[in-house]
Amino acid sequence: DAGVIQSPRHEVTEMGQEVTLRCKPISGHNSLFWYRQTMMRGLELLIYFNNNVPIDDSGMPEDRFSAKMPNASFSTLKIQPSEPRDSAVYFCASSLGLAGGNNEQFFGPGTRLTVL
Amino acid sequence: AQSVTQLGSHVSVSEGALVLLRCNYSSSVPPYLFWYVQYPNQGLQLLLKYTTGATLVKGINGFEAEFKKSETSFHLTKPSAHMSDAAEYFCAVSELGQKVTFGTGTKLQVIP
Repeated sequence: DAGVIQSPRHEVTEMGQEVTLRCKPISGHNSLFWYRQTMMRGLELLIYFNNNVPIDDSGMPEDRFSAKMPNASFSTLKIQPSEPRDSAVYFCASSLGLAGGNNEQFFGPGTRLTVL
Repeated sequence: AQSVTQLGSHVSVSEGALVLLRCNYSSSVPPYLFWYVQYPNQGLQLLLKYTTGATLVKGINGFEAEFKKSETSFHLTKPSAHMSDAAEYFCAVSELGQKVTFGTGTKLQVIP
């Protein structure tokens, strides 16, 4: 298996532009997570899905952020409009079963976003 | 509510020395506990996890951790540090039906 795939790996954009990050989870996994990592705030859970349904989006910072999972093999995280404070590394992770419990999360390589 | 505290955001050890990374947790029920490692410019990967049973858990790359309920701790150790162990280490806690809570991470520096 190729693992969790994220694209793009790097994104540089200007303030106000729309940014879309993409994730392909491991086949057969039914939970998907989006995280943001910064030096100041560490690793933050933004949202997670189970069986393509958003379960907890309490970590989404504001309405400029949205996430979708149209099918079991694809998810997007969109920021519109982007701001410099959104600069971070965004990780997608997937796991078997429900979120939590003893299920291991498998992380993608991340997308490094820079908003100028 | 579950939480995890990692003591020390940076730890430095000499190559060949003992590695000890500290983690304390808070949970209202028996927890599941994890250690993840993040190498530079990569995502996190699982080192080891505690679910039930044996309290000493062995993981990859020679790491192990011991679940101590009385101390609410799950410290990570390795007898002899290698240069390749330089990375950031995250402790995490989960309860059945709850999402995983990650600690703030400890960066391990290995000095030659």
